Amino acid sequence: DVKVTQSSRYLVKRTGEKVFLECVQDMDHENMFWYRQDPGLGLRLIYFSYDVKMKEKGDIPEGYSVSREKKERFSLILESASTNQTSMYLCASSLGWRETQYFGPGTRLLVL
Amino acid sequence: QKEVEQNSGPLSVPEGAIASLNCTYSDRGSQSFFWYRQYSGKSPELIMSIYSNGDKEDGRFTAQLNKASQYVSLLIRDSQPSDSATYLCAVKAAGTASKLTFGTGTRLQVTL
Repeated sequence: DVKVTQSSRYLVKRTGEKVFLECVQDMDHENMFWYRQDPGLGLRLIYFSYDVKMKEKGDIPEGYSVSREKKERFSLILESASTNQTSMYLCASSLGWRETQYFGPGTRLLVL
Repeated sequence: QKEVEQNSGPLSVPEGAIASLNCTYSDRGSQSFFWYRQYSGKSPELIMSIYSNGDKEDGRFTAQLNKASQYVSLLIRDSQPSDSATYLCAVKAAGTASKLTFGTGTRLQVTL
């Protein structure tokens, strides 16, 4: 079974703090993704990576950056958290061209 | 125009009935199609993937794809209360590397 884990289930941060969200997958998947999910807006892609040290912007990259130093780990960084970044953050990974994505449990982030 | 459209629901069906969930997409070159189930507060989990026109069955679930009409549907036979969740349709459009575009989901309620 594919396992995708995320470092925290719940996080509370202050405006202006630097926030790190980590995602690890154990199935040697090439592709990894970060989404945020908000009511009425669905899943929106922030960044994705198709190889170590490679990254591509998704649909809403503003205010975020990512890091992929190892194949199994993909980090999402909020350089200076703002209240409009309060959301559910979901990490996913996939293997090969079929693009079936497997999701981690999610991190619910509250920025005060 | 949204790229992937779903009726937000809720769709209410009695226990034991067939639930029919629909999804339309705008990119005629789309290649891969997925249905995910998401329980409240949880992350999406894959139910079905479908890549060619026609029906694909897996237990109580049947995915139907019609590329000419640009729609994909999910039928759930013998609906159970445990099927109550939000169902997300996801589409891989042509030329988008490994990216999926998600609909906003249809909430299904199975009543006793």
